[in-house]
Amino acid sequence: EDQVTQSPEALRLQEGESSSLNCSYTVSGLRGLFWYRQDPGKGPEFLFTLYSAGEEKEKERLKATLTKKESFLHITAPKPEDSATYLCAVRGEYGNKLVFGAGTILRVKS
Amino acid sequence: DVKVTQSSRYLVKRTGEKVFLECVQDMDHENMFWYRQDPGLGLRLIYFSYDVKMKEKGDIPEGYSVSREKKERFSLILESASTNQTSMYLCASSTSGGSYEQYFGPGTRLTVT
Repeated sequence: EDQVTQSPEALRLQEGESSSLNCSYTVSGLRGLFWYRQDPGKGPEFLFTLYSAGEEKEKERLKATLTKKESFLHITAPKPEDSATYLCAVRGEYGNKLVFGAGTILRVKS
Repeated sequence: DVKVTQSSRYLVKRTGEKVFLECVQDMDHENMFWYRQDPGLGLRLIYFSYDVKMKEKGDIPEGYSVSREKKERFSLILESASTNQTSMYLCASSTSGGSYEQYFGPGTRLTVT
């Protein structure tokens, strides 16, 4: 059974304090690892898709990386507007479903 | 831009009522999904559809049914609403090929009293 575990559950940062969020996964035949951002009371917003170990994607202050067992979402010099819940999901070899992690709640204080 | 819309942002229903949640996407996506999201439990898949009139059960289908009569529209039905179905309901859509990322609607916060 495909599984996704995200850590930490919550993270508080000062503005400008860089850090990383972790997404560990077990999946039979990875066909995509997805990162989403979710603001309170809203639907998740797609950020990145990664397909193979060693792949990296960047968007503004966010950079996602992928190994064979985990993915990291690196946040460089975060701002208060980066505060949100970040979700990780995987698509395995079989079927059309994504399996989501529970998310990391990020708070950036000015 | 992909757009997924849901019929209501907030809904309050009574126990035993039949509830319809509607979702529409404008990107000609083959796949559509219904999730519920609860604190501490994350996103859980209720049902999904990979084509018109086709559906598959997700992880928590009990107490729900779905309908997909047109490609752009996917409905979630609570046959007899119960208080444990109070939740945030999220609809998503994706292509069958290519990058496969799912695009989500804004969500419907359903309260059953």
